[in-house]
Amino acid sequence: AQSVAQPEDQVNVAEGNPLTVKCTYSVSGNPYLFWYVQYPNRGLQFLLKYITGDNLVKGSYGFEAEFNKSQTSFHLKKPSALVSDSALYFCAATRGTGTASKLTFGTGTRLQVTL
Amino acid sequence: DTGVSQDPRHKITKRGQNVTFRCDPISEHNRLYWYRQTLGQGPEFLTYFQNEAQLEKSRLLSDRFSAERPKGSFSTLEIQRTEQGDSAMYLCASSLGTGGAKDAFFGQGTRLTVV
Repeated sequence: AQSVAQPEDQVNVAEGNPLTVKCTYSVSGNPYLFWYVQYPNRGLQFLLKYITGDNLVKGSYGFEAEFNKSQTSFHLKKPSALVSDSALYFCAATRGTGTASKLTFGTGTRLQVTL
Repeated sequence: DTGVSQDPRHKITKRGQNVTFRCDPISEHNRLYWYRQTLGQGPEFLTYFQNEAQLEKSRLLSDRFSAERPKGSFSTLEIQRTEQGDSAMYLCASSLGTGGAKDAFFGQGTRLTVV
């Protein structure tokens, strides 16, 4: 069975500082990995995904994530946080096959960016 | 709007009543997924369709839950005899062809409150 862990319920960072939101995964074989963001009472908004290739993936709104196979991690990063980045972030994973039917999500990390 | 559309956005119902939600996927997307997200948790996979065929169901999908996609376009999710534990956000997603879950786009969700 596949699983995703987000060890931090909340991350606090000052605007302008770099941010990291952690994610580790357990997936058979090669994984596909994702980050989504959710604003209050809204659906999931796709940020970025790792399928294959370069371990550093760049996504929307200046976010990036690094795939580390040896540590089974896929941490989300941004060099300079904005107050508007404050939201709930979900990491997700699935088996690395084109026909994989479902995503497994972590429990989410709330990012709070303050002035 | 050409994204995944869900209706209604919010539903309040009394315990024991039946409710039905609708999802309209992105046009030509042949795969459609349902997820449930309870407070403080990440989304959990419920079921998925390829065209009109329901190909996988989670153990979370009890006998009170039924999902259909009669013509391979829109889908409905019905919950019979609702319980307070059914209160959650129900998310729909769709994807095209062989992309599978890795190419899924999510709707805004239907928030169900059972009182």
